[in-house]
This record gives sequence, structure tokens and C-alpha cells, in this order.
Amino acid sequence: ETGVTQTPRHLVMGMTNKKSLKCEQHLGHNAMYWYKQSAKKPLELMFVYSLEERVENNSVPSRFSPECPNSSHLFLHLHTLQPEDSALYLCASSQGQPIRNNEKLFFGSGTQLSVL
Amino acid sequence: GEDVEQSLFLSVREGDSSVINCTYTDSSSTYLYWYKQEPGAGLQLLTYIFSNMDMKQDQRLTVLLNKKDKHLSLRIADTQTGDSAIYFCAEDEAGRRALTFGSGTRLQVQP
Repeated sequence: ETGVTQTPRHLVMGMTNKKSLKCEQHLGHNAMYWYKQSAKKPLELMFVYSLEERVENNSVPSRFSPECPNSSHLFLHLHTLQPEDSALYLCASSQGQPIRNNEKLFFGSGTQLSVL
Repeated sequence: GEDVEQSLFLSVREGDSSVINCTYTDSSSTYLYWYKQEPGAGLQLLTYIFSNMDMKQDQRLTVLLNKKDKHLSLRIADTQTGDSAIYFCAEDEAGRRALTFGSGTRLQVQP
């Protein structure tokens, strides 16, 4: 148990659906992240939030829309996705931002997304 | 090319040593990390090394850093079946707000 909880664990959606991924951290951290994990590719940073403010958007298509209503919760809203968006989406948190000086990232178990 | 590169797969026998290699590009990285991902789970920090060190030992784990060649390795002594996982190398690139990860090396330990 890392203190970062993601729901749902698995999600199957059609290309016209709208769904949301949820992440909650119980660690009192100030920064939260979305990463995308695809097979045989580097882990891709998508978004970074620090104190509920988006501080990095790593050229992510607009069909992915993040939301951070408070420092404990992070959402990723999905709409009109493509099959190539199928991947494991990982949420992480850290005490501080930017992540230097041996900051540790704490990851959730991820949401395995399949887009049909 | 990619910022952090790793080979995708390594298979060893139980009891042998495993060596997982990584190359990175940012010479100004302060810390370099190894994260472990077990099946069905997120990544967990395994160990890290400060960039002015060339070696760090932590029980069965040895991290070697060759800063000149930008090469990082993780050696696991007496590898056990429970070490089967994906191992990610990561660096804290200057000017970036998050860690940069490689693609991960899947370690398979055979009994």
C-alpha cells in the first residue's frame, strides 16, 4: 500500500464514450502526476500539478483533460479516445515540486485502459 | 533518441546475479533512481544514487554510476523469484518538473 489509490483498476471504453480516472493520495503531498505506461516505451509524463495548479502539460492531446480539485485528488477525464490510447495510466504524488533533491515519487497501481 | 535507455528483457537463474543497465543523457542530473514494478502494481522506489558517487550498496543491491559515459547499472546479488519484476531507471533532468523514466527492463528469474 503506497498511499496512492487509483480507480477503476480496469476500464474498457468505446471511442465515443466519456469516462474519468480517479486518483487519491493519503500522504499529505503537494504534487500529483499522471504518467502513461505503454509496452516497450518509456514511461511518459502527461501532467504535473503542484498545489492544485497545473505546472506541466507534456504536449498531451486535448482528448485527455486533467482536473485537480484539491491537493489530495486528481482526475483524468477522457473523451473520444483512440485505440492507441490503450495503456496503463499511473498516478503519482510527491511531497514537493519541482522534483529535485531526492524527492520520491509514490505511485498508484494504475488504471488499465482499453479503447475499442 | 530517447532520454533514458534500457534493454527490455533479462532472464537469470535463481541464485545468480542480475545486472540491469541504463544509459541517460542529462549530465546535470543530481540523482539517478531505480524503481521496481511488480505485476499489477505501480512503481516503487528501490534505490537511488547521488551523481557525485560512483557506487552505492544496499544489502543485495549495488548501484554503479559511470558519469563520464552516463551509464547506470543495478546489480542484484543472489537473485530470487520474488525479484521478478520490471525495473525502471530514472533521472531528474534539469529544467523538468518530474522524473524521466526509461522503458523498463523485465527481469525474469527462473527456478
